[in-house]
Formats: sequence, C-alpha cells, structure tokens
Amino acid sequence: EAQVTQNPRYLITVTGKKLTVTCSQNMNHEYMSWYRQDPGLGLRQIYYSMNVEATDKGDVPEGYKVSRKEKRNFPLILESPSPNQTSLYFCASSLTPQAATNEKLFFGSGTQLSVL
Amino acid sequence: AQKITQTQPGMFVQEKEAVTLDCTYDTSDPSYGLFWYKQPSSGEMIFLIYQGSYDQQNATEGRYSLNFQKARKSANLVISASQLGDSAMYFCAMREVNTGFQKLVFGTGTRLLVSP
Repeated sequence: EAQVTQNPRYLITVTGKKLTVTCSQNMNHEYMSWYRQDPGLGLRQIYYSMNVEATDKGDVPEGYKVSRKEKRNFPLILESPSPNQTSLYFCASSLTPQAATNEKLFFGSGTQLSVL
Repeated sequence: AQKITQTQPGMFVQEKEAVTLDCTYDTSDPSYGLFWYKQPSSGEMIFLIYQGSYDQQNATEGRYSLNFQKARKSANLVISASQLGDSAMYFCAMREVNTGFQKLVFGTGTRLLVSP
C-alpha cells in the first residue's frame, strides 16, 4: 500500500531532551516536507527536501533540523525541544519537486508532540 | 498578507443538508492550484478535491464540489447531503507555480459539525 509512515504517533517529552520523528514513504517520491499544525494557524511548513541531500527551510524552521540521506526517509530532529514546539506534526511527500499545480501532497498520519 | 483565508472557524449543518465552506485566496500568479483537505478527529489529512486556475469547469468529486469564482478569488467547498462522517476539520490550500516547488499554503481551517 502506498503510504507515508510517521513514528511515533504520540510523543511526550521534557524540555531539552533531543528527539527524532521519523518519516518514510514507499512511493519513490522525490519531494518530502514537514509541516506543523497549531490551532488558529493552520499548517505551516518547517522544512522541505527536493531530493537526497537537498533540503531547505520552510516558513518556521527555527528549532528544527532535517536530513535526507535516503530517498524514502526524511526525519525531523528537535535538538533541544521547548514547550512552544508542542504541536501536531505532519510529514508529506509528492512525486516531483516541480510545481505542477495539480500534484497533491500525500500526508502521514501525524505525530502529536507535547513538550513539558 | 495571508494567502488563504477561511473566515468560518466553525460550521454546523444538519444531516442530509448541503453546506458551503468558504475559502478566499490571494495570488498574483496566473497559474495556481487550489486544494481541499479533510482532517477527521483521528488526525490524518485526506485529499478531497482539486481546482486548477485554468480549469473551465468547477471540480466535482462525488458529494464534494468546488464553487470556483476566479474574479472574486474564492474557492468554496460545497458538501451535498451531509453525513455524520463529514464532521471534521477542513483545510483549503493553494499552490502557486511561481514558487517553483511543491509548497502548499494552508488556511486556518473550518471545523464542521454534522448533527443528526
């Protein structure tokens, strides 16, 4: 089944404790992206990757890192999480990085992160 | 300036009735795409419908249709014959071709509650 898989689904941590949210897609997609969703703000892009070893900042990159060593994986790293990073996180992918207008994003099922 | 505006934080509709969720957008790019996603309480993002800026006809997908008024820059989602399972958060999103990449910009969402 074609899908984007995120883990974990729920995560509770404490301030300053490094964590990684994993994302994997099995569709051979070139483009991958991370979004965070907050009430009243919708979804905002954190980082994106156009292909292996090609990543760039989105709209809200502060406090996050990403890597793209393999095409299928795009982990999100929080080196020193803070309470303002408590949010619902989504990984998404699509076939190509070029903006054909009708190419939709495939989303993972989300990771609810709470930083205490 | 906000690119996607959803002015209805919440909407109520009775089962079997039709409901319209509003979305207005702002772009100077002549080529763009508009999307609607549904987010049920389980959290995943489900693609519903797409409308391209050059499409001559309004998009339809089953009970979903998009009321696209280009001059007014609006792309309202119409759900006909509402069902209890339609209760969810709905997001409008836009992709502009001149961004060059697959970035979707999202609105803040509308929570729809369908009552029996």
